[in-house]
Amino acid sequence: EDQVTQSPEALRLQEGESSSLNCSYTVSGLRGLFWYRQDPGKGPEFLFTLYSAGEEKEKERLKATLTKKESFLHITAPKPEDSATYLCAVSDYSGGYQKVTFGTGTKLQVIP
Amino acid sequence: EPEVTQTPSHQVTQMGQEVILRCVPISNHLYFYWYRQILGQKVEFLVSFYNNEISEKSEIFDDQFSVERPDGSNFTLKIRSTKLEDSAMYFCASSADRGGSYEQYFGPGTRLTVT
Repeated sequence: EDQVTQSPEALRLQEGESSSLNCSYTVSGLRGLFWYRQDPGKGPEFLFTLYSAGEEKEKERLKATLTKKESFLHITAPKPEDSATYLCAVSDYSGGYQKVTFGTGTKLQVIP
Repeated sequence: EPEVTQTPSHQVTQMGQEVILRCVPISNHLYFYWYRQILGQKVEFLVSFYNNEISEKSEIFDDQFSVERPDGSNFTLKIRSTKLEDSAMYFCASSADRGGSYEQYFGPGTRLTVT
């Protein structure tokens, strides 16, 4: 069974203070690793898909990287509007590829 | 920008009652999903749907649950006899195709409260 563990559970940053969120995963064969952003009371908002180790993707202040065991979401010079819960999720080849397993998320708070 | 919509935004029902949650996926998407998120917990997969049939379901999706695509736009989740533990946010999602990018795009959710 796929497992996704995110750390830290919560992170409080000053505006402009860069940091990284971690996602460790266990799958039999990774089909894709996803990062989502979730605001309170809202649905997850798609950010990135990573498919293979060494892959990197960027969007504004966010950069996602992938190794064989974990993924990092780097946040550079965050702003208060980056405050949200960031979710990591995986899909594997062993089960149905459409099933996505989510982690519990990292709740990020950026203080002005 | 196309988006997934869900109705209602909040549904309150009594235990044992049937509820139907409705979703309109993104129009050119072919795969549809339901997830739930109990307050304070992680998002959990319920079911995926393609070509008018269930393609995958989780252990949560038991006989009390059913899904349907009654017309070309709507996708519904029915819970036949609600239980207190069914109280959660229910998210619909859709994705375009199998190969390449198959990111799932989520709706805003329906908050189901069972009393």
